[in-house]
Amino acid sequence: QSVLTQPPSASGTPGQRVTISCSGSSSNIGSNYVYWYQQLPGTAPKFLIYRNNQRPSGVPDRFSGSKSGTSASLAISGLRSEDEADYYCAVWDDILSGWVFGGGTKLTVL
Amino acid sequence: EVQLVESGGGFVQPGRSLRLACTASGFIFGDYGVSWVRQAPGKGLEWVGFIRSKAYGGTTQYAASVKGRFTISRDDSKSIAYLQMNSLKTDDTAVYFCTRDLAVAGRVFDYWGQGTLVTVSS
Repeated sequence: QSVLTQPPSASGTPGQRVTISCSGSSSNIGSNYVYWYQQLPGTAPKFLIYRNNQRPSGVPDRFSGSKSGTSASLAISGLRSEDEADYYCAVWDDILSGWVFGGGTKLTVL
Repeated sequence: EVQLVESGGGFVQPGRSLRLACTASGFIFGDYGVSWVRQAPGKGLEWVGFIRSKAYGGTTQYAASVKGRFTISRDDSKSIAYLQMNSLKTDDTAVYFCTRDLAVAGRVFDYWGQGTLVTVSS
């Protein structure tokens, strides 16, 4: 059972907007930055969002992040088939004194 | 080009040891912390531990699941980080990734290696 809770699956059709949630607590999301990673099948994770809502260079602006209280969200607009992947949130936990990942959300593009 | 390449994975019996290496290139290795993250077959990502850069004391921190059994070290002169895994359990079976971070700049796990598979089984 992960410290951070993500829905196990999400889906949408091409062009749609989907959101993936990440729920935590005051010791992690409530007090630290949230990061998001995309993992395509059979590959290493890719850096997607940092410091809650910042996009590294090269990440399309279709991807956006937000945080409110002890929850965070990743939004993907203009959904494309190549967005089909697993998405993970990550955050530092002050009580555990370590990084924690959400359980991951498998996004299916219908 | 930033590259991280893991090596040393393989098949090992429970209770035995294994050492993984993460060889870096394309950036100033000593400026970055290095984390190890693992992924059991069909499962999600699990942070294993990290070693800070020398500028931040070179200290280490570990997940509770591996504390006391795993040790991370680094050799900045060779741009290599190591993960020494002792007293291995079947639950340690996973692909092990190394990744870098420069948290003060928001660069947390911004580059990853391709991973190396560790299988613990009798």
